[in-house]
Amino acid sequence: TQLLEQSPQFLSIQEGENLTVYCNSSSVFSSLQWYRQEPGEGPVLLVTVVTGGEVKKLKRLTFQFGDARKDSSLHITAAQPGDTGLYLCAGASNAGNMLTFGGGTRLMVKP
Amino acid sequence: SQTIHQWPATLVQPVGSPLSLECTVEGTSNPNLYWYRQAAGRGLQLLFYSVGIGQISSEVPQNLSASRPQDRQFILSSKKLLLSDSGFYLCAWSVLWETQYFGPGTRLLVL
Repeated sequence: TQLLEQSPQFLSIQEGENLTVYCNSSSVFSSLQWYRQEPGEGPVLLVTVVTGGEVKKLKRLTFQFGDARKDSSLHITAAQPGDTGLYLCAGASNAGNMLTFGGGTRLMVKP
Repeated sequence: SQTIHQWPATLVQPVGSPLSLECTVEGTSNPNLYWYRQAAGRGLQLLFYSVGIGQISSEVPQNLSASRPQDRQFILSSKKLLLSDSGFYLCAWSVLWETQYFGPGTRLLVL
């Protein structure tokens, strides 16, 4: 069974601060997805990373896939209250049609 | 463009009553379809997935069942709800199995 550990589980910061969320596994994934979810809504895809060592930027968000494709990180620069939400990572394996989801990181950015 | 619909958005049901949640996808053919349950503010638990009409795979033994009567329709059902069935239910679709797109969710409260 593949597992994805996300850390931290909760994060409360002030507007303007930087933060990093981690997603770790002992398993290799063919790709990894990051989602953001607002209360009462479905998760929305932010990015998919496929290649080991890949770095993708989405405005103030930087996503990195580990060289061994076992881990990933999400770094947010100068966080804003609009970044508040639940961040989920999900890994895809070569076998099957399923994603393995991390437990989520709940981020609150205070103005 | 593709869209995914879920209804109802919110449901309050007594223990022992039946359940039927519906999910439909527009704008794509032969998608993979998924049902997830999410505990408050946490990660997603895969319940069922389907790669085609009438093909259902169950990931977790439980009080629920799923059916796919049409290519782009996925239904989650129960004959008798339990208190523990309360939660946020999410439907998702994918074509390339690595990236899934989620519906708006159904919040179910069993009393």
